[in-house]
Amino acid sequence: EDQVTQSPEALRLQEGESSSLNCSYTVSGLRGLFWYRQDPGKGPEFLFTLYSAGEEKEKERLKATLTKKESFLHITAPKPEDSATYLCAVQGAQKLVFGQGTRLTINP
Amino acid sequence: KAGVTQTPRYLIKTRGQQVTLSCSPISGHRSVSWYQQTPGQGLQFLFEYFSETQRNKGNFPGRFSGRQFSNSRSEMNVSTLELGDSALYLCASSYRTGPLGEQYFGPGTRLTVT
Repeated sequence: EDQVTQSPEALRLQEGESSSLNCSYTVSGLRGLFWYRQDPGKGPEFLFTLYSAGEEKEKERLKATLTKKESFLHITAPKPEDSATYLCAVQGAQKLVFGQGTRLTINP
Repeated sequence: KAGVTQTPRYLIKTRGQQVTLSCSPISGHRSVSWYQQTPGQGLQFLFEYFSETQRNKGNFPGRFSGRQFSNSRSEMNVSTLELGDSALYLCASSYRTGPLGEQYFGPGTRLTVT
């Protein structure tokens, strides 16, 4: 069965303090790995799609990387507006399977 | 371009009742997926519709059903509500079926079952 585990569950950083979020996965026939951002009371917002090991994508202060077993979301010099829950999902044969998310808080 | 809309945004129902939730996808999007989000289980896939046909289904009981209309709007129905059905129900649309990652989510319908 496809499975996604995200760590840590919660992370509190100071503004400007860089860090990484982890997404470990097991899936039969990975068709894609996706990162979403979710703000309280809102639906997830699409960030990145990664398709194969070694691939990297960047957007502003975020960079996502992919290996055969895990993905990292690197956050460089974060700002308070980066505070949100970050969700990782994998696409196997049919459906998307989501991790539980990492709740990120950036203190000014 | 208008985003995905869901109605109603909030709903309170009693055990045993049934409920219908509505989702209007982004114009031009033909795939609509439904998810249940709870603090304990996270986001779980319910089903996906594309061109009025159910393409995929998650591991939920038959009390959960859906349909899609010719204009791509979708409805989700839950019959014989249980307390455990309390959750945020999210709808997401995309242009095509297949790898579904680049989906656009609506704000969700918060269902409370008492």
